[in-house]
Amino acid sequence: DAGVIQSPRHEVTEMGQEVTLRCKPISGHDYLFWYRQTMMRGLELLIYFNNNVPIDDSGMPEDRFSAKMPNASFSTLKIQPSEPRDSAVYFCASTTGVNEQFFGPGTRLTVL
Amino acid sequence: GQSLEQPSEVTAVEGAIVQINCTYQTSGFYGLSWYQQHDGGAPTFLSYNALDGLEETGRFSSFLSRSDSYGYLLLQELQMKDSASYFCAVKSDKLSFGAGTTVTVRA
Repeated sequence: DAGVIQSPRHEVTEMGQEVTLRCKPISGHDYLFWYRQTMMRGLELLIYFNNNVPIDDSGMPEDRFSAKMPNASFSTLKIQPSEPRDSAVYFCASTTGVNEQFFGPGTRLTVL
Repeated sequence: GQSLEQPSEVTAVEGAIVQINCTYQTSGFYGLSWYQQHDGGAPTFLSYNALDGLEETGRFSSFLSRSDSYGYLLLQELQMKDSASYFCAVKSDKLSFGAGTTVTVRA
C-alpha cells in the first residue's frame, strides 16, 4: 500500500497567487482530513470529508480557502489568493473511521 | 470547544522512562489518541484509549482516566530514535490535537 499521497511536497509561491494542494487517500478509506501545522498554532484541522461529502469545515480560516473531494481517490485544498501567513505544512490524512488516522508526508508551503 | 494541555519539552537519557501527561477539556469525548512526529515528518499513530486503564504496546504504554480528564503516554527503555514530538489528541466529533511535547533523548 502506497499510503496517503500528497503533491507537491514543496511549494514556493508569491503573495496573491493561487495554490492547489492535492491528496490521494488510502484506497478504501472513507474519511479524509486536511490539517495545517505551524509553530505558532500547532496542528489544526481545517476540514474533513466522509464519503466525499464535507462534514465539518469550521477550521477553514477564511473564504480564501476551499476544499473539494470529487471522488473517493482525490481531494484538493485551494488557497486563492495566497498570503504569507498561509505558509505552513499542510497534511492530508485518511481513515476508515476507526481510531487511527494515516497522514501523508505533507506539503510545505511558502508564500513570499 | 476542546482544550488540551501537555508539557512542551522533556529531556531524558537513553534507557530512562518518560511520562508525558495530557489533560483535556472537551464537550463530547470518545477517546484519547497519541501520535509521534519526527522532525520534518508526518504524525504517526501510537495508541488510542477509549476506556479507563493502561494499554501497552511494546515499549510504549498509554493510560486514560475519563473521570479525571487525564491521560499519559509512557515511554520506556528510551532510545535515541524516540527523540520526536508527541501529541495527545481528543476524539469527539473530530480529532483535536494538543500542542505537542518535544522529547529529547541524550546518550
